[in-house]
Amino acid sequence: EVQLVQSGAELKKPGESLKISCKGSGYNFPNSWIGWVRQMPGKGLEWMGIMNIANSDTRYSPSFQGQVTISADKSISTAYLQWSSLKASDIAIYFCARGENGAWPNWGQGTLVTVSS
Amino acid sequence: QSALTQPASVSGSPGQSITISCTGTSSDIGGHNYVSWYQQHPGKAPKLMICDVSNRPSGVSNRFSGSKSGNTASLTISGLQAEDEADYYCNSYTSITTSHVFGTGTKVTVL
Repeated sequence: EVQLVQSGAELKKPGESLKISCKGSGYNFPNSWIGWVRQMPGKGLEWMGIMNIANSDTRYSPSFQGQVTISADKSISTAYLQWSSLKASDIAIYFCARGENGAWPNWGQGTLVTVSS
Repeated sequence: QSALTQPASVSGSPGQSITISCTGTSSDIGGHNYVSWYQQHPGKAPKLMICDVSNRPSGVSNRFSGSKSGNTASLTISGLQAEDEADYYCNSYTSITTSHVFGTGTKVTVL
């Protein structure tokens, strides 16, 4: 069974750094695509970026280029989403998803990020 | 890359059929068949309902069907049931960013 398990909810202060994770199992993680999606409170889904784990080819959506970093550690089948300096506007639920043939059939449970002073 | 355009809300009575449209451009929906649809219930992760414009993944009810004409994709839910009440998002590959883009989302209400 394919599973994506994300790290737990985070409460951070503005300006702090953060790295959240997404661990894949039940499939060939090193030869897959991972995507990260933001969902702000009461709003729709937004693609942040996608990564080809095999060759680290990473494509950021224009709104998120330079704002976050997507990475992965093949040895532990885990993908990451990282911020160097959080803002209040980063408050959202963040989902990871596994890509397959142009669709996204498997999703993590989501990680709630709260930023408050 | 702007979001694909969906109606904000669609409603129907139990047993009826409804259709949700998703309008893009020749760089996304009109340019290839990597069009998919997702259902999201409140507080839950999205669930893939349709891939490759019209294919249903294993386990998805055959009441859900997809199609495409030009730059517009559509999701039809037939025999509407209370459990279908959720938000629905279309998604497409886009050649502009060589990534993906979601639709604005449609809230389906079962009257």
